Amino acid sequence: GAVVSQHPSWVICKSGTSVKIECRSLDFQATTMFWYRQFPKQSLMLMATSNEGSKATYEQGVEKDKFLINHASLTLSTLTVTSAHPEDSSFYICSARAASSPLHFGNGTRLTVT
Amino acid sequence: ELKVEQNPLFLSMQEGKNYTIYCNYSTTSDRLYWYRQDPGKSLESLFVLLSNGAVKQEGRLMASLDTKARLSTLHITAAVHDLSATYFCAGGPFGNEKLTFGTGTRLTIIP
Repeated sequence: GAVVSQHPSWVICKSGTSVKIECRSLDFQATTMFWYRQFPKQSLMLMATSNEGSKATYEQGVEKDKFLINHASLTLSTLTVTSAHPEDSSFYICSARAASSPLHFGNGTRLTVT
Repeated sequence: ELKVEQNPLFLSMQEGKNYTIYCNYSTTSDRLYWYRQDPGKSLESLFVLLSNGAVKQEGRLMASLDTKARLSTLHITAAVHDLSATYFCAGGPFGNEKLTFGTGTRLTIIP
């Protein structure tokens, strides 16, 4: 079945540094990928929709300059958390789909900013 | 804007018992998903319901959809400890995979 791989699974970084998270579709081409954030014991909140070859569409309240999304190919989208702060600590999950197929979720990345 | 609410938020029940989790949504949703999430893990897809009256079953879990009432249910039959997890429903329009997730129901099955 379709697999979506996220890397890294867990990252700890210092406040003020940037962190890049990768989301790859391993056996299908994903024209659209989605990035979600989940705070502890809360639901998933959509951050942005990542479209291959074009700019991402951000949800209201999500800072474009802080959460940089790049979807350079049909199998890779990256989320860069710039100048991370402790309040950015969260579980970040991507999802992807091929045409006429259901969504597949990555395993998630737990970000801790100290 | 679609809003999705789940009830209850927390549920603790004994093994062998039955229970139903409810998912209400505010506007038309062309499809309704149920996911399971174990602590520290990502989402596992359980069911996708596409039409009014749809019912799907897998093991001890059964999901149904009533589009007129804007309600989906996830019924647990004869619960076992392995079903302990957080369950999310999510909905959204066709042609757009932008999903709105419910608040989640944290289920704990007590031996």
